[in-house]
This record gives sequence, C-alpha cells and structure tokens, in this order.
Amino acid sequence: GEDVEQSLFLSVREGDSSVINCTYTDSSSTYLYWYKQEPGAGLQLLTYIFSNMDMKQDQRLTVLLNKKDKHLSLRIADTQTGDSAIYFCAEGSGNTGKLIFGQGTTLQVKP
Amino acid sequence: GAGVSQSPSNKVTEKGKDVELRCDPISGHTALYWYRQRLGQGLEFLIYFQGNSAPDKSGLPSDRFSAERTGESVSTLTIQRTQQEDSAVYLCASSLLAGRQETQYFGPGTRLLVL
Repeated sequence: GEDVEQSLFLSVREGDSSVINCTYTDSSSTYLYWYKQEPGAGLQLLTYIFSNMDMKQDQRLTVLLNKKDKHLSLRIADTQTGDSAIYFCAEGSGNTGKLIFGQGTTLQVKP
Repeated sequence: GAGVSQSPSNKVTEKGKDVELRCDPISGHTALYWYRQRLGQGLEFLIYFQGNSAPDKSGLPSDRFSAERTGESVSTLTIQRTQQEDSAVYLCASSLLAGRQETQYFGPGTRLLVL
C-alpha cells in the first residue's frame, strides 16, 4: 500500500540551512507536496513538485526529487525562528487526489 | 468566504454521545476531503466528495462514522456513539477539482475530545 515516511525531529541554528527528508512508496505518484503546520493553525501548502521534475526552487525553499529512490527533500535556506513548525510531506494518490501524509517532521530553530 | 471554515473549533463530549462536525469549503470548489489527525501523528484520509457524492469512503474507520454533503457546499461529518479513540483533530480540505494535481486548501480543524 501507499506509505510516506519522515524523520520526526530536526534542530538547527538560526541562519543555517534545514533539510527535511521524506520517502514514499507509490511509484505512480505524480504530485508530491510539502505542508507546514504551526501550533494551533491549519495546514499551509508550502510547495509541490511534479514527478517529471528533479528540482523546484521557490525563494528560500528548494525541493529535490529522486524518483529512482522515491526520496523527496525540502531545503530551507537561512532558517529563521519563524520557520519552527511541523512539516508534512504528502503524495497525491489516485484519481481522487486524496493525500497520503507522512507523520511530520518537527523543525526546531534555535536562536 | 476567503478560505475553508470549520465548526465548532473545539468540541468536548462524553463517550457514547453523537457529534456533528461541519465544513464550509471555498465557494466553487467541487472536491471536498475529510482527514483525521491524532495527537503527534500525520493526517489520515477519511472520505472524499465530488459534488454531493462520495466515491471514496475507504478511510472511514468504522460504521459509526458517516458524512454527507449538500450540493457543492457544506459537509457534515457525524460520529455516532463516540469512543475515546475518536479524540483527534478533524480537518477538512477543498479543491477546485478532484485529482492529485489539484491544490487542497485546509480549514483550521475541529479539535474533538471524548471523555
């Protein structure tokens, strides 16, 4: 079945780069997403990548996709304390578009 | 409204009671999704609506869970005879169309606590 795995915790210092990793199992996945969840807030879509792309950059965010290894990463450059949150990787599944989520990576940014 | 709204934002109930959770999608969005997020976990898909029909109910955990949608508008998720393991945040999302390429916009969620 479909499964998405993430490491649970990452701690970085302010100004450093953060790299959050994700692996997925559905080889037919065409869209992969990164969502951000802050305490008490809903999910915010950060970025997504289509499976015919290897990389996508959006300001401080860079998404890398290795289709062979089914590995997705999110790099946040110049990490700020406001980036502290839980980051979820998700794959779009089937024709319905339902999302299969990883368990989330908590990013802690130390000043 | 500008985004997806959900009500109530918090609900505390006693074990065995029924609860109704409401979702108002973004106007014009035909697809609507319900997810559940248990404490410290990722989101689990529950059910998907295209218009007012539900082609995929595969995530509903038991027959105590049901959902309906009126046209391409409001949806309600009903949990009958609530159990403590139903305690979670229930999130609703909508998208313009259905499909893995469509962006889903999430509401703030309803936090349900079953005592």
